[in-house]
Amino acid sequence: EVQLVESGGGLVQPGESLRLSCAASGLIFSVHHIDWLRQAPGKGLEWVGRSRNKAARYTTEYAASVTGRFSISRDDSQNSVYLQMNSLRSDDTAVYFCVRYLASGANDYWGQGTLVTVSS
Amino acid sequence: IQLTQSPSFLSASVGDRVTITCRASQGVTTFLTWYQQKPGKAPRLLIYAISTLQSGVPSRFSGSGSGTEFTLTISSLQPEDSATYYCQQLDLYPLTFGGGTKVDIK
Repeated sequence: EVQLVESGGGLVQPGESLRLSCAASGLIFSVHHIDWLRQAPGKGLEWVGRSRNKAARYTTEYAASVTGRFSISRDDSQNSVYLQMNSLRSDDTAVYFCVRYLASGANDYWGQGTLVTVSS
Repeated sequence: IQLTQSPSFLSASVGDRVTITCRASQGVTTFLTWYQQKPGKAPRLLIYAISTLQSGVPSRFSGSGSGTEFTLTISSLQPEDSATYYCQQLDLYPLTFGGGTKVDIK
């Protein structure tokens, strides 16, 4: 069974940093692209960024709202992907999900999400 | 690509046929996806590549459309279909979502 488990969320002050982790199991992690998405409380879904697989040279993509502040990395030996979030703002407050991306054009497996709250 | 869903809310009875529309600000060629989300849960993939039903999803769900207009149809609404539905385009970066449609059972 495919599982994605996020961790690392919590309460931080504006301007601080936080690193989220996503641990995957039940899949051949190295062949998959992994997306990060988020959902602010009571709001809709927002794509944050993508970590491509080794075949795509581990390249990344980011939403404009996080470019220059967030970075995504991965460790295939640990079946994990990471979201480093710097210079956090109140509007980054959200539940963050890591999600498997399929080449057929869909995010099929989602983690349960981890809540990040940015507040003074 | 901006996605606009309509309606933002609908209330229908069990057994009704329900249609949700997703309009794109420019053409989406292939990767248009629909998700269902219930409160406190992660979204669930329903339809991908415009009309392909994800494994395990009931056949009362279907997707169609092309270009800039796409629809999700529930052929016979069931109580467990009460949820918020989102469309997403994965054709172009940045990937974007519609604002969501909340479906309520009368």
